[in-house]
Amino acid sequence: DQQVKQNSPSLSVQEGRISILNCDYTNSMFDYFLWYKKYPAEGPTFLISISSIKDKNEDGRFTVFLNKSAKHLSLHIVPSQPGDSAVYFCAASAGDDKIIFGKGTRLHILP
Amino acid sequence: EADIYQTPRYLVIGTGKKITLECSQTMGHDKMYWYQQDPGMELHLIHYSYGVNSTEKGDLSSESTVSRIRTEHFPLTLESARPSHTSQYLCASSESYYNEQFFGPGTRLTVL
Repeated sequence: DQQVKQNSPSLSVQEGRISILNCDYTNSMFDYFLWYKKYPAEGPTFLISISSIKDKNEDGRFTVFLNKSAKHLSLHIVPSQPGDSAVYFCAASAGDDKIIFGKGTRLHILP
Repeated sequence: EADIYQTPRYLVIGTGKKITLECSQTMGHDKMYWYQQDPGMELHLIHYSYGVNSTEKGDLSSESTVSRIRTEHFPLTLESARPSHTSQYLCASSESYYNEQFFGPGTRLTVL
């Protein structure tokens, strides 16, 4: 039973436009959420995180929004750049040092 | 930049062989993790450690074993490799719960 769900396996966005990646979770005990980016043949790299006491966190072109009532979070990338083409993993933790990952969404930035 | 290393990067080996995947970090992190990932799937936690002489099994059952004799080193061993062990193995470390995990580049294991 997946606790973190990324229902879109892939997403294509025009360069310069906004990319929106979505993630849903089922465990109401999750209190910390993260997004990771992964290039082929490399390990995931941390992108941005958000605590459950916030509903928005921004870092440069990346913004994460958290809607606790809907158990939904999203990652916005504005503007999208060619180097953003990668697999993005949504992840969540419930305070026990373990992180639960989604299956990832492959983002293609089109020229 | 994260300093966490994994060797080998790629390994092709026959059934029944014993293998050890190496993971080292130079950040002094107490917490270390091993994940297994198949293409298009989520990362599954198979082992973790809170510090020297601490090892725990993760959420995904694995026939592998780990040891943590030194803070910086967290090797994973398969006593007898099988084709079902074919996967990518990712090692990670973190400083504390509210700090992100830093990942190594991974080892892609193929068992023939």
